[in-house]
Amino acid sequence: EADIYQTPRYLVIGTGKKITLECSQTMGHDKMYWYQQDPGMELHLIHYSYGVNSTEKGDLSSESTVSRIRTEHFPLTLESARPSHTSQYLCASSEYGQPSGYGYTFGSGTRLTVV
Amino acid sequence: QKEVEQDPGPLSVPEGAIVSLNCTYSNSAFQYFMWYRQYSRKGPELLMYTYSSGNKEDGRFTAQVDKSSKYISLFIRDSQPSDSATYLCAMSKSGGSYIPTFGRGTSLIVHP
Repeated sequence: EADIYQTPRYLVIGTGKKITLECSQTMGHDKMYWYQQDPGMELHLIHYSYGVNSTEKGDLSSESTVSRIRTEHFPLTLESARPSHTSQYLCASSEYGQPSGYGYTFGSGTRLTVV
Repeated sequence: QKEVEQDPGPLSVPEGAIVSLNCTYSNSAFQYFMWYRQYSRKGPELLMYTYSSGNKEDGRFTAQVDKSSKYISLFIRDSQPSDSATYLCAMSKSGGSYIPTFGRGTSLIVHP
């Protein structure tokens, strides 16, 4: 049973649209992350947060923004979608104090297609 | 040169075979080494976790770290069709604030 939920699972949207990908976790984890994953490629970190009102950009912020108003919620917003944003977006969370990468819980992902 | 190198495969083996999955890395500061398993249309799940060098065994899975060679391995004994998935290695430096670096993942297919 998933403790981290991503919606929608699949999304097809036109170029220029604003979209928000939702991520919620029920584990009370302080740390949350957004990754982009393309087939056969590494996970690329887009944004991360170590707690409420704390957000940082990763290696690939890709014209997106995040917010962390509540511990359990970490939405990702694309202000103007482009075909280059077509990818799978994975949300993850972990407990503060654990070594990085250990105990990551990932959501099932949102597959985004921008046409 | 990428910090973490992993052959994407696919690696196809018959049921019951011993599978060896590997990653090499270039950053000697990496201390934590992880293997994640990702089934199709799912997010990765943590499979094995090792600190520094040595071996760790969990059922049919064994993780090995050779820091002198900057080489990590995941062995799967008596492989099953349910092991068919993509296996991602990940590693990070010491300290809770470091974000792990992931490999590309190796696609494994275990056929009956």
